[in-house]
Amino acid sequence: QVQLVQSGAEVMKPGASVKVPCKISGYPFTANYINWVRQAPGLGLEWMGWINPKTGSTNSAQKFQGRVTMTRDTAISTVYMELRALTSDDTAIYYCVRESDEIGFFDLWGRGTLVTVSS
Amino acid sequence: DIQMTQSPSTLSASVGDRVVITCRASQSVSPWLAWYQQKPGKAPNLLIYKASTLENGVPSRFSGSDSGTEFTLTISSLQPDDLATYYCQQYEDYPRTFGQGTKVEIK
Repeated sequence: QVQLVQSGAEVMKPGASVKVPCKISGYPFTANYINWVRQAPGLGLEWMGWINPKTGSTNSAQKFQGRVTMTRDTAISTVYMELRALTSDDTAIYYCVRESDEIGFFDLWGRGTLVTVSS
Repeated sequence: DIQMTQSPSTLSASVGDRVVITCRASQSVSPWLAWYQQKPGKAPNLLIYKASTLENGVPSRFSGSDSGTEFTLTISSLQPDDLATYYCQQYEDYPRTFGQGTKVEIK
């Protein structure tokens, strides 16, 4: 089954880091870029960046540069998004999403990981 | 950054109604625009890409159109399953940006 598998939830303290995994299943791991999109509670969608699973190259939104790292583990077909120096504003659902072969839009979404930042 | 503005923010319509959602870009992004449907408690789902191309498996009552900086998503005959929030997204440039969403309610 073609899917992006994400874990359910994380609770983090302010100032901490979170590393969110996303396992690619049902299609070749290196075939498509994986993007990260987040959604704060009750709010809209915010693009964070992408990783090329084939090469490991990344591109992130300027807003997150210096605070976000995207990596991959080819042995287990998993990509990761690490976000550092968390604040309450980072409380959100973090989705990994597959970029279409046609580039630019997102044709497969994970179920999302809820990251709650609270003291 | 390219700003995407959707209207209306919320709309309420009856089953069978024709529904139109508009998305305006702060600069030309044509035809690099996608539409997504997000049902309550679920991840978004791709409906349309390249402004008017229907994704495989999406019902034909959904359609998209493009007039340069203004795009529309039309539901020709609203169904109860269409209760959702709809987002547009430009992919002309980085950062990718989304509209703020349009919530569709069923009367």
